[in-house]
Amino acid sequence: AQSVTQPDIHITVSEGASLELRCNYSYGATPYLFWYVQSPGQGLQLLLKYFSGDTLVQGIKGFEAEFKRSQSSFNLRKPSVHWSDAAEYFCAVGARLGAAGNKLTFGGGTRVLVKP
Amino acid sequence: ETGVTQTPRHLVMGMTNKKSLKCEQHLGHNAMYWYKQSAKKPLELMFVYSLEERVENNSVPSRFSPECPNSSHLFLHLHTLQPEDSALYLCASSQDHTSRSSGANVLTFGAGSRLTVL
Repeated sequence: AQSVTQPDIHITVSEGASLELRCNYSYGATPYLFWYVQSPGQGLQLLLKYFSGDTLVQGIKGFEAEFKRSQSSFNLRKPSVHWSDAAEYFCAVGARLGAAGNKLTFGGGTRVLVKP
Repeated sequence: ETGVTQTPRHLVMGMTNKKSLKCEQHLGHNAMYWYKQSAKKPLELMFVYSLEERVENNSVPSRFSPECPNSSHLFLHLHTLQPEDSALYLCASSQDHTSRSSGANVLTFGAGSRLTVL
């Protein structure tokens, strides 16, 4: 069975500083990997995804993530954080549900606080 | 209207009530999902429908009853709930499994229905 671990429950970062969120996964085959962001009172918005190819993927809002198969990791980064990046971030690994549908398994999330 | 719309956004109900959550997607997707987001647990997949047939039921108690009348609509019927069922219920949709597009594995989520059971 697949699983996702986000080791950091909370991260506080100053506005303008860099941000890195860690994600480790366990999956028996080549994974589909995702990062989603959830602002308070909202649903989840896709930031970026990795299916294959270039291991460094670019997403929306200036985020990027790097897939490292040897480390089973898919860490999310942003060079300079804005106050609007304060939210909860979820890493997920995806798998096909047999012949139909798609199943995402989520990590526990990392809540990011941005200091002025 | 575009995207995935969930109603109501907030619901308070007693343990003996019967209510329903509604989800509607305007993306032309053929698979729809219910997830439960509790305060101290990771997002939990509850049900998956693909082409209007249920393909996954993750050991969800029978007091939760899903219904997918067509590929654009998904309901979650609730009855005799417990206080521990209080959570944010998220609906999502994705492209059909037969799609060769990389979008097949991308889920689009609604804003959720916040349920409080008294």
